[in-house]
Amino acid sequence: EIVLTQSPGTLSLSPGERATLSCRASQSVSNNYLAWYQQKPGQAPRLLIYAASSRATGIPDRFSGSGSGTDFTLTISRLESEDFAVYYCQQYGSSYTFGQGTKLEIK
Amino acid sequence: QVQVVQSGAEVKKPGASVNLSCRTSGYNFALYNIHWVRQAPGQRPEWMGWIHGGSGDTKFSQNFQGRVTITKDTSANIAYLDLTSLTSEDTAVYYCARGGGFIDYWGQGTLVTVAS
Repeated sequence: EIVLTQSPGTLSLSPGERATLSCRASQSVSNNYLAWYQQKPGQAPRLLIYAASSRATGIPDRFSGSGSGTDFTLTISRLESEDFAVYYCQQYGSSYTFGQGTKLEIK
Repeated sequence: QVQVVQSGAEVKKPGASVNLSCRTSGYNFALYNIHWVRQAPGQRPEWMGWIHGGSGDTKFSQNFQGRVTITKDTSANIAYLDLTSLTSEDTAVYYCARGGGFIDYWGQGTLVTVAS
């Protein structure tokens, strides 16, 4: 099973700042089948990015994904108030596994 | 537009089984998988398995082999999850979601509470 490790566990930033979230896989993710989700309390996860760098339908362009192999990054270029949430990476190249999440909180 | 609507909350005793439903609309049910993913309080999501809406092929996480069954009613665009031999560790929000490879549209979740 591919284990995904996200860092940092918590990220404290202010609106307008840039956020960089990391996801490292225990082995190479096949075809870079790596997705990013945003989850707010009491809500289902929301797909942001798939195939490491493709934005899902309706996702603002301040969200971008990059990386390949075992190292992936989600960048939010300028934080808005609604972006403060928990973010999960997930790989779907070999079964499905999720990272433990990064909580993005208001500083 | 794609919609995924799940059945309501359940309370079960240890050892019991639970059956959850997932009704979809707004797309061709037969062309996509329906995944089941659960999330215990404060934990990361955990993938359980999927069923293909057309062929009925299924695949399950090894963590649930033998305890989980996923079925479908293609004519009604509904998928079902059966989970048996419940314990307190099965207390979680259970999500169904559409997916091909990546998982895109999610239901609102169903809270399953297992308590004596």
